[in-house]
Amino acid sequence: AQSVTQLDSQVPVFEEAPVELRCNYSSSVSVYLFWYVQYPNQGLQLLLKYLSGSTLVKGINGFEAEFNKSQTSFHLRKPSVHISDTAEYFCAVSGVDDMRFGAGTRLTVKP
Amino acid sequence: GAVVSQHPSWVICKSGTSVKIECRSLDFQATTMFWYRQFPKQSLMLMATSNEGSKATYEQGVEKDKFLINHASLTLSTLTVTSAHPEDSSFYICSAPGGFGTSGRGYEQFFGPGTRLTVL
Repeated sequence: AQSVTQLDSQVPVFEEAPVELRCNYSSSVSVYLFWYVQYPNQGLQLLLKYLSGSTLVKGINGFEAEFNKSQTSFHLRKPSVHISDTAEYFCAVSGVDDMRFGAGTRLTVKP
Repeated sequence: GAVVSQHPSWVICKSGTSVKIECRSLDFQATTMFWYRQFPKQSLMLMATSNEGSKATYEQGVEKDKFLINHASLTLSTLTVTSAHPEDSSFYICSAPGGFGTSGRGYEQFFGPGTRLTVL
């Protein structure tokens, strides 16, 4: 079975600063990795996904993530954040027929 | 892209009543759908896997008699919270997989917008 660990429950950052949200996974088989964003009282919106191919994945809203198989990581990055990026971010791993989520990271962007 | 809808988006009910939440895949067919529960400031917890034409598969610790799931068609799954109590108040989210790959493994999930249930 696969699992996901998000290493930071909260990440405060100032506007226009870079940010990295960390995610590690474990799985005995090949996996597919995802990052989702959730705004208050809303569902999940897909930011980006890694299925295969290039390990650097670019997503929406200027986010990108790098798949590192040797370190079993899939960290999310953005070079310059905006106030509107304040939200909950979930890393997820998809294996055989289901998807498992990390505990989430609350990104708070301060002016 | 694939769209999943949920209805209602929010519901308030009295303790002891039953509430039905619908999850629809609008532009694709889904033989499988997933139901998640999310408590405030927490992650999504998989409750059950809904299978069209057969019984749902429940995760350990989820009461199947409490959370009734019906997947009567390829585009509709319903979750009924029976005899709801305040502790059932939560955000319920459904998803449907968009399969890829001939192996059938590894499904991207398309999520509904969620249903906020408040039991008084």
